[in-house]
Amino acid sequence: EVRLVESGGGLVKPGGSLSLSCVASGFTFRTYDMNWVRQAPGKGLEWVSSISSDAYDVYYIDSVKGRFTISRDNAKNSLFLQMDSLRAEDTAVYYCARDYRGSTTFDYWGQGTLVTVSS
Amino acid sequence: DIPLTQSPSSLSASVGDRVTIHCRASHSIDTYLNWYQQKPGKAPKLLIYAASGLQSGVPSRFSGSGSGTDFTLTITSLQPEDFGTYYCQRSFSPPQGVTFGQGTRLEIK
Repeated sequence: EVRLVESGGGLVKPGGSLSLSCVASGFTFRTYDMNWVRQAPGKGLEWVSSISSDAYDVYYIDSVKGRFTISRDNAKNSLFLQMDSLRAEDTAVYYCARDYRGSTTFDYWGQGTLVTVSS
Repeated sequence: DIPLTQSPSSLSASVGDRVTIHCRASHSIDTYLNWYQQKPGKAPKLLIYAASGLQSGVPSRFSGSGSGTDFTLTITSLQPEDFGTYYCQRSFSPPQGVTFGQGTRLEIK
């Protein structure tokens, strides 16, 4: 069974940092591109960042470029999102999502972790 | 970016009804269109990929159609567990082109 379990969310002040993790199981993690998708409270879905299976290619939505860093550890079946210089508008549930065969089709999602940026 | 516009924004239907949700792209996206269902407090679930492919494990009452700029998600014989919000999504590489529709909230009467 494919499982994605996020952790690391919490309350942080504007300008602060937070590090999210996603541990994968039930599939060969090292062969899949992975993503972070977020959802602000009461709002729709927004793709945030992607990383290729070998970590060679990384992509970000413009609003987080220079502030967020995506990475992975294939030996530990883990995906990460380092979030710096956080803003109120980054408040959201952050989901890690598996990419179906590199097509940016998200076939499995974690349960999400809530990040709240507030003073 | 190619925005996706869903209609209606919300609807209410009865068990057994046929329900149709639309997604329109501002420019042609061929069949690079997926559909997800999200229930309150839960993660989205992939229903349809590449406009008309039924994801494994998804009931056959769900179907997708369309290409270019106009797409449709159809639920034949609506079931009580089909409530939730439905999103369309453009799949694209590089991923900066990925966009989601604003969602359609489906309520069961």
